[in-house]
Amino acid sequence: KAGVTQTPRYLIKTRGQQVTLSCSPISGHRSVSWYQQTPGQGLQFLFEYFSETQRNKGNFPGRFSGRQFSNSRSEMNVSTLELGDSALYLCASSLTGTGGYNEQFFGPGTRLTVL
Amino acid sequence: DQQVKQNSPSLSVQEGRISILNCDYTNSMFDYFLWYKKYPAEGPTFLISISSIKDKNEDGRFTVFLNKSAKHLSLHIVPSQPGDSAVYFCAASPKGGADGLTFGKGTHLIIQP
Repeated sequence: KAGVTQTPRYLIKTRGQQVTLSCSPISGHRSVSWYQQTPGQGLQFLFEYFSETQRNKGNFPGRFSGRQFSNSRSEMNVSTLELGDSALYLCASSLTGTGGYNEQFFGPGTRLTVL
Repeated sequence: DQQVKQNSPSLSVQEGRISILNCDYTNSMFDYFLWYKKYPAEGPTFLISISSIKDKNEDGRFTVFLNKSAKHLSLHIVPSQPGDSAVYFCAASPKGGADGLTFGKGTHLIIQP
């Protein structure tokens, strides 16, 4: 069974630009969650999508947004990039999402560098 | 305020011995706990989980213990192997999962030959 895939793996952008990251969950998984990992803050929850609807949201500004398509694939968008947005962005999929007792499976992440 | 704390940034253990990684939490709404292992340049890999209705869960060499009154959980790895060298994250989720998974900062486990 194929795992969670994320594209691109590495990305370099400049301040003020916007970026879109993509995530394909494990086949059959309907929930996709996004996390940001930085050395200072660790792994922080961004948001979760389930059946094309945002179900849960972390404490991040509105510049961070996402969507989920009917095939469960998800995209995350960050607008007006800031230096502090440099991080590893991780996508995780699960059968029913964080509300149930299902473990989340993570992709390899997208390393975003903002110059 | 960190709701999930892993107070040991690193831990060194001899191959073949027991590795014990600790995690404390403050949010009494957490009712599902997970351990993940992470190698550099890879995403976290799920290891083992436990719900709040249990106090122990075992899977091969990995055992997780949950002490709800102390708001403490631990991961035991017996015996420790060189491939276990990685960063281990403790994570927690409240019922309903409204805030996703809350992670600790991780413990870097080093298995020495």
